[in-house]
Amino acid sequence: GAGVSQSPSNKVTEKGKDVELRCDPISGHTALYWYRQSLGQGLEFLIYFQGNSAPDKSGLPSDRFSAERTGGSVSTLTIQRTQQEDSAVYLCASRRLPGAYEQYFGPGTRLTVT
Amino acid sequence: DQQVKQNSPSLSVQEGRISILNCDYTNSMFDYFLWYKKYPAEGPTFLISISSIKDKNEDGRFTVFLNKSAKHLSLHIVPSQPGDSAVYFCAANGGSQGNLIFGKGTKLSVKP
Repeated sequence: GAGVSQSPSNKVTEKGKDVELRCDPISGHTALYWYRQSLGQGLEFLIYFQGNSAPDKSGLPSDRFSAERTGGSVSTLTIQRTQQEDSAVYLCASRRLPGAYEQYFGPGTRLTVT
Repeated sequence: DQQVKQNSPSLSVQEGRISILNCDYTNSMFDYFLWYKKYPAEGPTFLISISSIKDKNEDGRFTVFLNKSAKHLSLHIVPSQPGDSAVYFCAANGGSQGNLIFGKGTKLSVKP
């Protein structure tokens, strides 16, 4: 079946602009996670969605970051007033619940803020 | 403060030999560990996992060992193949919502 898809694959934006990143999880996976990977670093957790519950936003680095998930499926991550330190690869993962620990990742969006 | 550490940024191995990738963690409450493999410009791919109630899990050429007393796990690849060349991430299931906590990765190069 189809895996996790993300768009765009690459995004170059000017400092101060807003950007929107999209994630389509695996069908039937109720849990969705956003991570980011900065150069030379591991993956950093940003936000988690599970069904209709309120998202866990504990990993968001600032209030310029927000995310939503519509209809329990597609998710968008929005970064307002982008800064150069926001440059990273943004990865989305989905997970089948209950019981499974494995998360399945999309190919990521490489964001470059100039 | 890093909770999952991969202290070797890179490893080079000859084709056919064993590759051993190491990972240390600090939180004894972690209950499940996973290894992911990542090629350039792709997302991480799940490779193998182990529950904290076990000390070994094997899947084909890949074996993960867990030493809870030492808070250490390792991934063994035997025999190594050039297609195994990638960055390998160790991750622990430790977040309150099941988010994974990742190490910084080890870049494995398998030379023909």
